[in-house]
Amino acid sequence: GDSVTQMEGPVTLSEEAFLTINCTYTATGYPSLFWYVQYPGEGLQLLLKATKADDKGSNKGFEATYRKETTSFHLEKGSVQVSDSAVYFCALPRDTDKLIFGTGTRLQVFP
Amino acid sequence: DSGVTQTPKHLITATGQRVTLRCSPRSGDLSVYWYQQSLDQGLQFLIQYYNGEERAKGNILERFSAQQFPDLHSELNLSSLELGDSALYFCASRSEGTDTQYFGPGTRLTVL
Repeated sequence: GDSVTQMEGPVTLSEEAFLTINCTYTATGYPSLFWYVQYPGEGLQLLLKATKADDKGSNKGFEATYRKETTSFHLEKGSVQVSDSAVYFCALPRDTDKLIFGTGTRLQVFP
Repeated sequence: DSGVTQTPKHLITATGQRVTLRCSPRSGDLSVYWYQQSLDQGLQFLIQYYNGEERAKGNILERFSAQQFPDLHSELNLSSLELGDSALYFCASRSEGTDTQYFGPGTRLTVL
């Protein structure tokens, strides 16, 4: 069945370091792909999305490119800040658009 | 602010009890989704409603039920609560013609 696989966390970085959080998916067809972020004590916020192959979603300095050939949607940021500390979820919509989520990757950024 | 509201923010109750969680979708959104976030199961889809009708069911226990009212708000009812039902419950809504879901802040349920 359809699934999303994320890299294990936590990812621990110093401020201004480069971030990559890996996400791969298994799905029939070519669904949209999403990254959601959950800051401590808060709900899920949409971070970015891509709707078709080779699309790049971007927001708040984060980017992710929809790679059909590698079935991947890795999240990247060139220079992380302490305020980026959160849990990041990769997701894809299936059936009547219910979301299938990865397990989440916790990012901790230290000054 | 996503425009999706959920109440209450926190709920503490005892085993065997029944609770109701409430969600108001973004203005004009007909689709409402409920998800459960727990440490051992991660984020799991529970149920979807569209304009008052149940559209899809996921991993929802028989002790749980939901409905969507004519004003489009939705309620998730959890009964005969067990310790394992302690989790964060999210509601999300989606606009017609898009596949993007916007989430509410969640209700944290603690069953003691």
